[in-house]
Amino acid sequence: DTGVSQNPRHKITKRGQNVTFRCDPISEHNRLYWYRQTLGQGPEFLTYFQNEAQLEKSRLLSDRFSAERPKGSFSTLEIQRTEQGDSAMYLCASSPDRAIGNTIYFGEGSWLTVV
Amino acid sequence: DAKTTQPPSMDCAEGRAANLPCNHSTISGNEYVYWYRQIHSQGPQYIIHGLKNNETNEMASLIITEDRKSSTLILPHATLRDTAVYYCIVRVGAVRGSQGNLIFGKGTKLSVKP
Repeated sequence: DTGVSQNPRHKITKRGQNVTFRCDPISEHNRLYWYRQTLGQGPEFLTYFQNEAQLEKSRLLSDRFSAERPKGSFSTLEIQRTEQGDSAMYLCASSPDRAIGNTIYFGEGSWLTVV
Repeated sequence: DAKTTQPPSMDCAEGRAANLPCNHSTISGNEYVYWYRQIHSQGPQYIIHGLKNNETNEMASLIITEDRKSSTLILPHATLRDTAVYYCIVRVGAVRGSQGNLIFGKGTKLSVKP
């Protein structure tokens, strides 16, 4: 399967700990997106990369959150000093960078529970 | 904010067509209509998209009104596995910068019943 891959799929952590999620996009997709989804809500945009450049960050992305895509391939999303409000599903998505045929495809998500 | 309006929930009998409406009265000329669905605890799955012509693929059909202010997603023969939240999203086609991002609303929860 060559879809968007995320891991770990589930993470339980204690409040105050740091967690990191990894996303491997579809091969040759230049754009990579991170979203967050809480129960009963649709996914909310967090940030996006064009190759290795982080081009936009949502105001939802507090200074405890950092995302990287060092070589323009996989990406990591780190949450420092986790809080209970960070409990959510973190979704990664990718798309090609072209005017036509730029559909965004999502991974299965990484569930975070902060206890 | 999402630029679309969808009913919060709908029911459909198994084997019948499911018709999911979406209003997007403020859609711009360069915006496409995209549909995704999300089965419980999974990531959103792309279904179909269109600009102004009706579209059909192996999953569904998309009917867009002539004025482009509304659309309908049609699942021709709904099965129990089609039970999911369906999101209708408008998205700029010529992607530049952040304009390619998807802005999700709350979607329509479709329940397919035996």
